[in-house]
Formats: sequence, C-alpha cells, structure tokens
Amino acid sequence: DGGITQSPKYLFRKEGQNVTLSCEQNLNHDAMYWYRQDPGQGLRLIYYSQIVNDFQKGDIAEGYSVSREKKESFPLTVTSAQKNPTAFYLCASSIGAADEKLFFGSGTQLSVL
Amino acid sequence: RKEVEQDPGPFNVPEGATVAFNCTYSNSASQSFFWYRQDCRKEPKLLMSVYSSGNEDGRFTAQLNRASQYISLLIRDSKLSDSATYLCVVNPVTGNQFYFGTGTSLTVIP
Repeated sequence: DGGITQSPKYLFRKEGQNVTLSCEQNLNHDAMYWYRQDPGQGLRLIYYSQIVNDFQKGDIAEGYSVSREKKESFPLTVTSAQKNPTAFYLCASSIGAADEKLFFGSGTQLSVL
Repeated sequence: RKEVEQDPGPFNVPEGATVAFNCTYSNSASQSFFWYRQDCRKEPKLLMSVYSSGNEDGRFTAQLNRASQYISLLIRDSKLSDSATYLCVVNPVTGNQFYFGTGTSLTVIP
C-alpha cells in the first residue's frame, strides 16, 4: 500500500545533539512538507520541498535543516541550535498541483532528555 | 493577521446533537479548502474537501462562502466516535503552502 512512513515514532535528544527524523513516501508525490505541532496548537510549517534538490523555509525554519536528494525522501535534522525542540513532528506530501490534498505520516514525538 | 482562524472550542455536545464549526481565511485568492480530523497524538486525516457548491458525506456537510471568506463544517447526529480535533486547512496555491487553523476540539458526551 502507498503511504508515508515516519521514523522513529519516539525520539529523545540530549542537549547539544543533532537528531534526524526520517520521512519516506511511495506515493510518487512531488511536494513534501515538515510541520511541528505543540500541545494545544496548530501545525506550523518548518520546511517544504516542491521538487527534488529544492526546498524552501517555512515559518519556523531556524534550528532545523532538510535535504531532498531523492523524490521519496525528505529527512529533517533538528540541530542543537533549536533550543526548544520538544514537539510532535509531522511529515506530509502532496501531488503538488492545485486542489490536491495533503497526506500525513504518523508523526514523531521528539523529547529532550 | 493569521492566514486561517478557528474557534478552538472546546465544544462538548450530547450524542445525537448537531454541531457546526466555522473557519475564516484571510487570502481572498485561496483556491483549495479542506477539513481534517486529528485524534490525540495521531496524524491529521482528511475528512473532506470543501467545494464552492458545498458538499455532503453522510452526516458531514461542508460549505464555502467566498464572499465572507469562511468555510464551515456541520456534523449531524453526533456519535461518540466523532470526538476529535477538527482542523481547517486552506491552500492559496501560490507557493503551494497549506495553512492550518489551530483546530476545534469536539467531545461528544454519552
């Protein structure tokens, strides 16, 4: 079955450590997104990519980095510069055309030790 | 001004009740509109797209009012399983970003 796979489901980060969240899709979607969700709040866009080897910053990109070397993969690195990384991270993809919906992975809960 | 605004609730309604949520958007050129459902600590899942003519799926009805720049979701005959957070999502198409409301929390009470 086609879908989006995020891993790990839970991740713990030590202070000063970089961690990478994985996102893989087999939907053949061009566009991929990373969102952050804090308790009781809406989704905020971290980065998005509309095509391989290209990506743009979202509203809260500071302290994060991404790469898009393959169409199916869009990993997110939470760097040590992100001082408040504890949140629920959601990866999503879409065909990229107008009127097309988002499909989400099951999310990664990142916590700081 | 936020791109998308929603009343966060919470809405607590008895089983069988009818409940309606509204969501306003700021970009008049927005083209695509959606309602997503999110259960606690799970990913959002598409409930329905919202079309200019309005659309219905069983107990759920979505409507778009372009003149007033809002979309609505009506749930009839509420079930316990409808308890969730409902997210309003707007895609203005330019830049292909999606803008999310903060979500409206619904609890259906036995």
